[in-house]
Amino acid sequence: DSGVTQTPKHLITATGQRVTLRCSPRSGDLSVYWYQQSLDQGLQFLIQYYNGEERAKGNILERFSAQQFPDLHSELNLSSLELGDSALYFCASSTGPLINTEAFFGQGTRLTVV
Amino acid sequence: EDQVTQSPEALRLQEGESSSLNCSYTVSGLRGLFWYRQDPGKGPEFLFTLYSAGEEKEKERLKATLTKKESFLHITAPKPEDSATYLCAVQAGSNSGYALNFGKGTSLLVTP
Repeated sequence: DSGVTQTPKHLITATGQRVTLRCSPRSGDLSVYWYQQSLDQGLQFLIQYYNGEERAKGNILERFSAQQFPDLHSELNLSSLELGDSALYFCASSTGPLINTEAFFGQGTRLTVV
Repeated sequence: EDQVTQSPEALRLQEGESSSLNCSYTVSGLRGLFWYRQDPGKGPEFLFTLYSAGEEKEKERLKATLTKKESFLHITAPKPEDSATYLCAVQAGSNSGYALNFGKGTSLLVTP
């Protein structure tokens, strides 16, 4: 158990809908990272938050947004969903803003868009 | 642009048959190279971080090494429970802040 909790584990929704994925980082970790994993692309970095503020952006679509709350949990919002958004979404956390030590990953949310 | 390439894509070994997985990278300003293990449907599990060329780290049957252009994950006398996808990632202080840039992984199957 990495200590990073993601909910829900599975999500099935229709095209055009909006969903929210939730992540609780390990106790004491201030950084939260979101990654998307699809079969053909591998793990793609989406966005990082550190202590409530956006720290870095990767290949995140404009239809996607995220935030980190004062209690340090984070939510990833995906809107106007398309079939191609079906993937595993992982959250990871680390202690500081610079991830030069290990990041711990949650078990992921499997999103299926039908 | 930072690039991470892992080879082979898939590897099948007999139990006890040692081998190596390769991770070659092109980054500007490498801050660290990471190895993770991922089981099907699970999140990546941290194995090692390497920071500079010549560095080596070991954990049970696994040993990771780093040069200026690539890293190797050596698996000595593997067991079936070592079957998983092994992911390599680099951290560079470049366009995506300090997030990890992952390769596509090597899928390892160890048969009894």
